[in-house]
Amino acid sequence: DGGITQSPKYLFRKEGQNVTLSCEQNLNHDAMYWYRQDPGQGLRLIYYSQIVNDFQKGDIAEGYSVSREKKESFPLTVTSAQKNPTAFYLCASSMEGTTVHFGNGTRLTVT
Amino acid sequence: AQSVAQPEDQVNVAEGNPLTVKCTYSVSGNPYLFWYVQYPNRGLQFLLKYITGDNLVKGSYGFEAEFNKSQTSFHLKKPSALVSDSALYFCAVRGPPLRASGGSYIPTFGRGTSLIVHP
Repeated sequence: DGGITQSPKYLFRKEGQNVTLSCEQNLNHDAMYWYRQDPGQGLRLIYYSQIVNDFQKGDIAEGYSVSREKKESFPLTVTSAQKNPTAFYLCASSMEGTTVHFGNGTRLTVT
Repeated sequence: AQSVAQPEDQVNVAEGNPLTVKCTYSVSGNPYLFWYVQYPNRGLQFLLKYITGDNLVKGSYGFEAEFNKSQTSFHLKKPSALVSDSALYFCAVRGPPLRASGGSYIPTFGRGTSLIVHP
């Protein structure tokens, strides 16, 4: 089955540690996205990439970094500079101009 | 800039009754409109979209949405609600492709509306 795989589903880290969230898609989509979801705030765009080796900052990129070395993969690193990293993180992908499809998310808890 | 408003944080409806989840939007050019549903601790699932054509769009699980250009609205509807429809619903909008300027296709999402269907 084609889809978007995010791993792990739950992630726990100590404050001050960097952590990388995995996102892999086998839909052959060109564009990939990372969103952050907090209760009552909807989805906020962190980073997006329209093509391999290129990515753009979204609305809340501070404290995050990404890479797009392969078409299938778009990992997100939450750095220690992110002040409030505890959240539900959603990865998504789409072909140019079509419906965005989502993974099942990673819930990150930083204590 | 494009934006989406979902004016209700929560909608309560009795099972078997019709439901409406409201969405209004603002975008330059013709809108591309989407509805998604999210169950607890899961990603968003696509329900339906409007790009062009008939103003009434039919989607998954018996849902439909009506595009109203004059009111800039795209309300989600279902004639008879089920308890299993209880979930978080997101409306999203994006503008037409901006190929000449190399623009992106990034949709903007609303804050979400929690639908609760009572038995």
